[in-house]
Amino acid sequence: AQSVTQLDSQVPVFEEAPVELRCNYSSSVSVYLFWYVQYPNQGLQLLLKYLSGSTLVKGINGFEAEFNKSQTSFHLRKPSVHISDTAEYFCAVRGGTSYGKLTFGQGTILTVHP
Amino acid sequence: NAGVTQTPKFRVLKTGQSMTLLCAQDMNHEYMYWYRQDPGMGLRLIHYSVGEGTTAKGEVPDGYNVSRLKKQNFLLGLESAAPSQTSVYFCASSYDMSGDLTDTQYFGPGTRLTVL
Repeated sequence: AQSVTQLDSQVPVFEEAPVELRCNYSSSVSVYLFWYVQYPNQGLQLLLKYLSGSTLVKGINGFEAEFNKSQTSFHLRKPSVHISDTAEYFCAVRGGTSYGKLTFGQGTILTVHP
Repeated sequence: NAGVTQTPKFRVLKTGQSMTLLCAQDMNHEYMYWYRQDPGMGLRLIHYSVGEGTTAKGEVPDGYNVSRLKKQNFLLGLESAAPSQTSVYFCASSYDMSGDLTDTQYFGPGTRLTVL
């Protein structure tokens, strides 16, 4: 079984500042890792994913994440945020032969202030 | 190409009433999922399907039933609604067996259900 912990429930930040949203996971098997974003009153959209290969993954809207196997982490970063990045962000993990099933973290609400 | 659609968008039920939520996808995906989203708890998997005619329990299946009679549709039923089922329900789909096997799940816009 897998589990995901997002270490911050809310992250306030000023526009053009850098941001890091933290995600730790636990699993007894190899994992695939994902970050999804949910804008207000909408469904979830994929930001980026790690399946294999390079541990630094680049996604849409200038976001990137780094897979760290030894620390079982997959933190999301952006060097300069915009007001439009205000949303809830979910880290998710799929492991082994779980038929595509994802286990989600609790979510981090990112609020970008002008 | 509409992606994943959900019907209805909003619904208010009284305790004990029943209803069915409909999810439809036009991407020829094999797998479909129903999640519920509650504040501070992320998304939790209710039921899922790996193909037409198949269903399986997820993390929180109690009080719900599902059916996948057609590949493009996945129905979620509440036989006797309870206030604890007040939530936002999301449907998702993934895996085009002829192409995309990269685990990306595509989500519908959600159904906001209130049980009084």
